[in-house]
Amino acid sequence: DVKVTQSSRYLVKRTGEKVFLECVQDMDHENMFWYRQDPGLGLRLIYFSYDVKMKEKGDIPEGYSVSREKKERFSLILESASTNQTSMYLCASSVFGTGEETQYFGPGTRLLVL
Amino acid sequence: DQQVKQNSPSLSVQEGRISILNCDYTNSMFDYFLWYKKYPAEGPTFLISISSIKDKNEDGRFTVFLNKSAKHLSLHIVPSQPGDSAVYFCAATGGNTPLVFGKGTRLSVIA
Repeated sequence: DVKVTQSSRYLVKRTGEKVFLECVQDMDHENMFWYRQDPGLGLRLIYFSYDVKMKEKGDIPEGYSVSREKKERFSLILESASTNQTSMYLCASSVFGTGEETQYFGPGTRLLVL
Repeated sequence: DQQVKQNSPSLSVQEGRISILNCDYTNSMFDYFLWYKKYPAEGPTFLISISSIKDKNEDGRFTVFLNKSAKHLSLHIVPSQPGDSAVYFCAATGGNTPLVFGKGTRLSVIA
């Protein structure tokens, strides 16, 4: 079974704080993704990575950065948290290259920025 | 510009009846489609997928139909059970591009 784990299920931070969300997958997947989910907006892609040290911007990268130092780990960084970044953050991974790869999701981190 | 649209934000169905969730897409390059199910406070879980070379894929109570000419797919759940109550996301991809998700449909199965 594919397992994607996220470092925290719930997180409360203050405006202006730097926030790190960690994601680890154990299936040797090349691709990793960060999404946020908000009511009525579905899943929106923040950043993704197809390889170590590689990153690509998704649809809503502003205010975020990422780090992929190891294949199994993909970190999302909120440089200076703001209240509009209160959301559910979801990490996913998939195999590279078939064009039919299924993404497997972690349990999510619900972040509240006060 | 929404490339994947789920026009029904919610759907209520009686237990035992059929649930039909719909999804439309605009990008002709999409050739692989997936459905995910999501419970509150959990990550989405993969449910079923279909390649553009097929028009139907079945897995137990779940069947996905693809109509390429209409750029439309649907998920049928028969019979619907209370445990099926969740948000369902349609997603699509073409080539080695990230999945594009719809906004989701909340299904409520009433006992």
